[in-house]
Amino acid sequence: DAKTTQPNSMESNEEEPVHLPCNHSTISGTDYIHWYRQLPSQGPEYVIHGLTSNVNNRMASLAIAEDRKSSTLILHRATLRDAAVYYCIPRRNAGNMLTFGGGTRLMVKP
Amino acid sequence: EPEVTQTPSHQVTQMGQEVILRCVPISNHLYFYWYRQILGQKVEFLVSFYNNEISEKSEIFDDQFSVERPDGSNFTLKIRSTKLEDSAMYFCASSEFGAGGANIQYFGAGTRLSVL
Repeated sequence: DAKTTQPNSMESNEEEPVHLPCNHSTISGTDYIHWYRQLPSQGPEYVIHGLTSNVNNRMASLAIAEDRKSSTLILHRATLRDAAVYYCIPRRNAGNMLTFGGGTRLMVKP
Repeated sequence: EPEVTQTPSHQVTQMGQEVILRCVPISNHLYFYWYRQILGQKVEFLVSFYNNEISEKSEIFDDQFSVERPDGSNFTLKIRSTKLEDSAMYFCASSEFGAGGANIQYFGAGTRLSVL
């Protein structure tokens, strides 16, 4: 599996945009980039995924670098409920498992 | 919205005892998973299950562990003889599709297993 590098923690103010970076320089050409988050005392929750193009959904946007060696999860307006650990996970095209790293702990200040 | 449910939310057991953790995956999903998270550590994959067979397992999933889909709705994880180091949150997940980009996994809230 491709290795990922994410900041251990980030802080944001409520109502402001947040950009969560992830480096995955060893990603293979067929690996999708998935993002999950884990709210306190809960199971992981799917956020978004993409392959090459930028993606938007109701939760977030995903910006993927042209060389695919990095990606950025964008929360357009952070709320207190977005305080969580965010995981960037390159997914192999074969195999079912998700490999979680340490993720980025996002703290949102009111 | 459909969700994965896990019972019990907290299980306390004595070392050496058998425990069964239960999960009800989302009804139209075909792929099932167990993960665990020791307090303060990463979420770790244990096993995936499809078509009544284990499709992948990690090194953690040794002979002490087994999984079963006893009926059309439940998916269970059994630990035969619990050890202190089995204390962790255990998460069940399910997905409609298998490998690749479409494999979006939906997780339950977890069962906290405490081995005394």
